[in-house]
Amino acid sequence: EAGVAQSPRYKIIEKRQSVAFWCNPISGHATLYWYQQILGQGPKLLIQFQNNGVVDDSQLPKDRFSAERLKGVDSTLKIQPAKLEDSAVYLCASSLALGADTQYFGPGTRLTVL
Amino acid sequence: GESVGLHLPTLSVQEGDNSIINCAYSNSASDYFIWYKQESGKGPQFIIDIRSNMDKRQGQRVTVLLNKTVKHLSLQIAATQPGDSAVYFCAEIWGAGGTSYGKLTFGQGTILTVHP
Repeated sequence: EAGVAQSPRYKIIEKRQSVAFWCNPISGHATLYWYQQILGQGPKLLIQFQNNGVVDDSQLPKDRFSAERLKGVDSTLKIQPAKLEDSAVYLCASSLALGADTQYFGPGTRLTVL
Repeated sequence: GESVGLHLPTLSVQEGDNSIINCAYSNSASDYFIWYKQESGKGPQFIIDIRSNMDKRQGQRVTVLLNKTVKHLSLQIAATQPGDSAVYFCAEIWGAGGTSYGKLTFGQGTILTVHP
């Protein structure tokens, strides 16, 4: 079974630029999550989708971050404009369903904002 | 606010020793706990989980213990190997069957280093 795929793996941009990350979850997984992991910390949930609907985006900085999962499969996370403090690893995870279900993580995209 | 945290940020052991990684949680409503292993440059990898109606669960070389009285979670790794070197996170879900919708809250992490 293929795992969660993410691209790009690394991205370096200057502050105020825009950036987008892509995630392809495990086939058949209805729930998709985006996490932000700052160096030395545990991942923090940004947004959670169930199929193509948003379940929880309470911790997403909506003034600069946006995410979509239009067809209920792939998802993109965008930052516009980026700030220095956005430097982090952005992890995508998926699970079969909502609730206490095992989440499988992708390798992440390491973003450096200069 | 309520959070999941770890007592020790680093742990160094010799190959073959048993390792114990600890985690404290403060949300008494938490009903599902997971341990993840994260190697450098990779995403967290599921190790083992436990529900709040259990106090012990065993896997292959790993055991998770849950003490709800003192809100403490531990991960025991038997016969630790160099390949076990990684950062270990505990995570919690509260209200798993209700409004939390499976939202994971992670602790800070413990760095485990295994010396050959």
